[in-house]
Amino acid sequence: GEDVEQSLFLSVREGDSSVINCTYTDSSSTYLYWYKQEPGAGLQLLTYIFSNMDMKQDQRLTVLLNKKDKHLSLRIADTQTGDSAIYFCAEREGDTGFQKLVFGTGTRLLVSP
Amino acid sequence: GAVVSQHPSRVICKSGTSVKIECRSLDFQATTMFWYRQFPKKSLMLMATSNEGSKATYEQGVEKDKFLINHASLTLSTLTVTSAHPEDSSFYICSATTPPGLGLNEQFFGPGTRLTVL
Repeated sequence: GEDVEQSLFLSVREGDSSVINCTYTDSSSTYLYWYKQEPGAGLQLLTYIFSNMDMKQDQRLTVLLNKKDKHLSLRIADTQTGDSAIYFCAEREGDTGFQKLVFGTGTRLLVSP
Repeated sequence: GAVVSQHPSRVICKSGTSVKIECRSLDFQATTMFWYRQFPKKSLMLMATSNEGSKATYEQGVEKDKFLINHASLTLSTLTVTSAHPEDSSFYICSATTPPGLGLNEQFFGPGTRLTVL
């Protein structure tokens, strides 16, 4: 099947904004997620957006959703060195009941001082 | 949020041996647990979905006899890699979720287990 695509790498300076992009595959996905993975660790849910929304803001995080283009982005304002990690977008397959997540390829964010 | 633990966090074994990895939901009952495999610098690939008291559902291409999954209770699922070989070396991550229904049904992820087969 098709992959959920992300750019592999993003490097920013501390204090700048970071924008991580994702192209997903299933137009019927009801929820789309952003996860953060620090080295050697599991995944932490950062935020999510319901498919009938265009935008969601949560403190420093802003999620934009373009359903027509199946494009999802995560903007991190005032990026800090602690934000350095791998970021995965994920789509939830199907629209009822059982949850199965399909993860993107991951974007490694490096924040330099 | 809810806590999911995995044990061991890291294991090194000889080729041909079997390795068991435990996934526990510490403060909630998980009717469903998921097992993922993550290759270096790659995404997570779902291996199987495990429901308490029933057989696991494996994704296409995952060998059932190779990766044995047991979900014996609402707080514990185990993944056994049988007759492990170097190509089974990977980072294995589990997640747990509460009963399916409308809404987010967030998956809570364990910290992962790094398996190295010599």
